Amino acid sequence: LAKTTQPISMDSYEGQEVNITCSHNNIATNDYITWYQQFPSQGPRFIIQGYKTKVTNEVASLFIPADRKSSTLSLPRVSLSDTAVYYCLVGVGAAGNKLTFGGGTRVLVKP
Amino acid sequence: EAGVVQSPRYKIIEKKQPVAFWCNPISGHNTLYWYRQNLGQGPELLIRYENEEAVDDSQLPKDRFSAERLKGVDSTLKIQPAELGDSAVYLCASSHSLEGNEQFFGPGTRLTVL
Repeated sequence: LAKTTQPISMDSYEGQEVNITCSHNNIATNDYITWYQQFPSQGPRFIIQGYKTKVTNEVASLFIPADRKSSTLSLPRVSLSDTAVYYCLVGVGAAGNKLTFGGGTRVLVKP
Repeated sequence: EAGVVQSPRYKIIEKKQPVAFWCNPISGHNTLYWYRQNLGQGPELLIRYENEEAVDDSQLPKDRFSAERLKGVDSTLKIQPAELGDSAVYLCASSHSLEGNEQFFGPGTRLTVL
C-alpha cells in the first residue's frame, strides 16, 4: 500500500514559488506520482504526473529524486487563485497497488 | 468535450433510506472510479472499473454499498441502507488507461444523511 505523507498546510504570498513535498517510502516500481488540485465544491483536477527525475508543464514542475521515495511539486509565482488543496497520488492500480490520495496540503496564497 | 457528469449534485436523506448516485464518464474512457471524500480529507477509492469489470473493490463496504457498470459506460453507486457516517461527497472519475493515467473528476454528489 503506497501511503503518502504531505504537510497539512502552507502559506505563501502572491508571486512567490511554492514547493510541496510528498513522502512515499513504499512506492512500487510501476507507480507513477501524480498531483491534483482541488477547490471547494469541485472534484480534484490533474496538475502534473511523473515517474522519475523532473517533469515540467505550463503550470508546475515535479521533482523526483533517484530513489523515488519523495517528490516535490513546485508552483512558480503563485497567485490568489492558486489557493486550494493539493494532493499527492501514488499508484496506477496495477499489481494490487491501491490508488491512494495523501491527506492533502492546504495552500493559502496571501496578497 | 463534456466532462464527467454526476447526478444528483446534492442529496439529503434520512438514515436507513436507500440512495443512488449516477456517473457518466468522458466518452472513450474505459476506466471509471468511485471515491468518497469526507470533510477535510482526501478522496478514498471505493471501487475501480476497467470497462464493465470491477478490478478493485476492496475498499467498498459490501454490506451496504453496491456498484454496477453494466455496459462499460455509465455507472451507479448505491447505498442501502444509509447510515449517518455515510455523509460525504461521492466523486466519480474516469481515465483512458491504467498506465500513467490522468483521472478526470466529476463535481461530486454531496450526501447528507440525517
